[in-house]
Amino acid sequence: DQQVKQNSPSLSVQEGRISILNCDYTNSMFDYFLWYKKYPAEGPTFLISISSIKDKNEDGRFTVFLNKSAKHLSLHIVPSQPGDSAVYFCAASEYYGGATNKLIFGTGTLLAVQP
Amino acid sequence: EPEVTQTPSHQVTQMGQEVILRCVPISNHLYFYWYRQILGQKVEFLVSFYNNEISEKSEIFDDQFSVERPDGSNFTLKIRSTKLEDSAMYFCASSEGGPVNIQYFGAGTRLSVL
Repeated sequence: DQQVKQNSPSLSVQEGRISILNCDYTNSMFDYFLWYKKYPAEGPTFLISISSIKDKNEDGRFTVFLNKSAKHLSLHIVPSQPGDSAVYFCAASEYYGGATNKLIFGTGTLLAVQP
Repeated sequence: EPEVTQTPSHQVTQMGQEVILRCVPISNHLYFYWYRQILGQKVEFLVSFYNNEISEKSEIFDDQFSVERPDGSNFTLKIRSTKLEDSAMYFCASSEGGPVNIQYFGAGTRLSVL
């Protein structure tokens, strides 16, 4: 069951440049997409989300783009900083209206920002 | 800032033993979850809990697993008879609910079954 896929296991970028992390999904019923960041020995930390009715959401250095027709989303980090080095997970959920909508995660992309 | 806390951080047990993983969710949250991540694999949903009952559970969450909210603050995951393949990182999460349903995760408990 690979409803959410992150095809790049790792990404290396230079400090100050843009990081682009990609995510693909197969379930057209997903209503919300979320990005989480995870450092070693810590739990996933919420970064940013986007509704399926939007195509862009921005929060500071982080922007998420959604292409619903392609079932693809991406997280842009600009400028990238060494502290951004972590594993980034894409997650998706369906909203059933009052239900507890579980998150379905991708496999993660390890981002390394080089000083 | 409120956070989800999990204890212990690392639990080592023998195959066939019972373990209880503990979580204290964020105090005003109403929805509670357990996820697990086997080394090198993705984070997988186990179970969700709301209003003192299970809302949804995955295929992984078989009869060996149970959850409980024994008081107003704790949320526990019990594995009755552990197997080698239960070795994983177990994450507790909580949320306020709603459409976006941002879930906040604890640091996890690493369970090692020998």
